Amino acid sequence: SYVLTQPPSVSVAPGQTARITCGGNNIGSKSVHWYQQKPGQAPVLVVYDDSDRPSGIPERFSGSNSGNTATLTISRVEAGDEADYYCQVWDSSSDHPDVVFGGGTKLTVL
Amino acid sequence: EVQLVESGGGLVQPGGSLRLSCAASGFTFSSYEMNWVRQAPGKGLEWVSYISSSGSTIYYADSVKGRFTISRDNAKNSLYLQMNSLRAEDTAVYYCARADCSSTSCPLDYWGQGTLVTVSS
Repeated sequence: SYVLTQPPSVSVAPGQTARITCGGNNIGSKSVHWYQQKPGQAPVLVVYDDSDRPSGIPERFSGSNSGNTATLTISRVEAGDEADYYCQVWDSSSDHPDVVFGGGTKLTVL
Repeated sequence: EVQLVESGGGLVQPGGSLRLSCAASGFTFSSYEMNWVRQAPGKGLEWVSYISSSGSTIYYADSVKGRFTISRDNAKNSLYLQMNSLRAEDTAVYYCARADCSSTSCPLDYWGQGTLVTVSS
């Protein structure tokens, strides 16, 4: 089965740029989605199809995907961005498609 | 406004059964694929099951295959998850999530608030 690997934690000072990576075998050939989850809340889609933003998501959130790594970039980080972030793809390598999530990255705003 | 509201969670003994429901509103339910995703306490997200808009195509994670059954009633704008032979490791918050397949690869664009299932004796 397909595996997505994220760093457990990333720390950044307010106003700086946070980069959260998501590693997978030839992930650049897949479409990657990113979700933000704050404590006690449901996940929220923040980036889809590698780099598109749903309506209402600030332009500070952006994404890229190439080779074996996808990256979620959060510019001008704010205290309210502190949350867990998950990457996700659809994997069709088995006999049926699966939704695969990364293990999640806790973003701490210092 | 899109709303997804889960219900049916609770405490159940190992080997028992539970049926979760997800009531949808604010969009044309019959036009969207739907999913169940779960999250064990303090853990990450785990996909459970997918159902196509008509209900004709269904997928399950290997961890629940043969024990869980996903279904939908488009006339009632509702999604269901029948869970049988429950195990302690099924303890989690269960979310229903809409898939937006108008884009390239069906991101889960709306999620409910979740319902907690606890499997314990």
